[in-house]
Amino acid sequence: EAGVVQSPRYKIIEKKQPVAFWCNPISGHNTLYWYLQNLGQGPELLIRYENEEAVDDSQLPKDRFSAERLKGVDSTLKIQPAELGDSAVYLCASSQGGGRTGELFFGEGSRLTVL
Amino acid sequence: AQSVTQLDSQVPVFEEAPVELRCNYSSSVSVYLFWYVQYPNQGLQLLLKYLSGSTLVKGINGFEAEFNKSQTSFHLRKPSVHISDTAEYFCAVSARGGATNKLIFGTGTLLAVQP
Repeated sequence: EAGVVQSPRYKIIEKKQPVAFWCNPISGHNTLYWYLQNLGQGPELLIRYENEEAVDDSQLPKDRFSAERLKGVDSTLKIQPAELGDSAVYLCASSQGGGRTGELFFGEGSRLTVL
Repeated sequence: AQSVTQLDSQVPVFEEAPVELRCNYSSSVSVYLFWYVQYPNQGLQLLLKYLSGSTLVKGINGFEAEFNKSQTSFHLRKPSVHISDTAEYFCAVSARGGATNKLIFGTGTLLAVQP
């Protein structure tokens, strides 16, 4: 069974440029998450989707960040414009049935460096 | 709201020695508890979880953890570590019956196994 796939793995951009990350969850997982992981920190939830609906986006900085999950499968996270402080790893995860038992399956992450 | 404290940012240990990684949590409601492991340049992987029942939980790779409600702790242990156990370990908590699987992660403990 294929795991959660993210791309790109690494991205280096100049500040004020846009950037987008893509995530393909495990087949059949209706819940999808985007987490932000700063260096030396634990992951912090940015947004959670149940199928196509964003059910928790309270931590998403909506002035520059946006996300979508078309057709309840793949998802894209966008930053426009990027700032120096956005340098971090962006993790995508998925789970089945709302993930009440806590087993989230994570992708390898997209490491963003903003210069 | 829930929170997790991992007091040790780094734990150095020699190969074949025992290890304990500490985790304390705070919550006004009952919780589920988890340990995730992150190997270098990889996503997080579930190591073990406590949902209910026996307070001693066994996970993959010979790790185990014990839920102590009175001390609000969920320490991770392994009797004999290997070089391959070198990784970042994250403790996480979610509210039982709460906003489904909103996991709150600690800041992580780097287990550095030396030969």
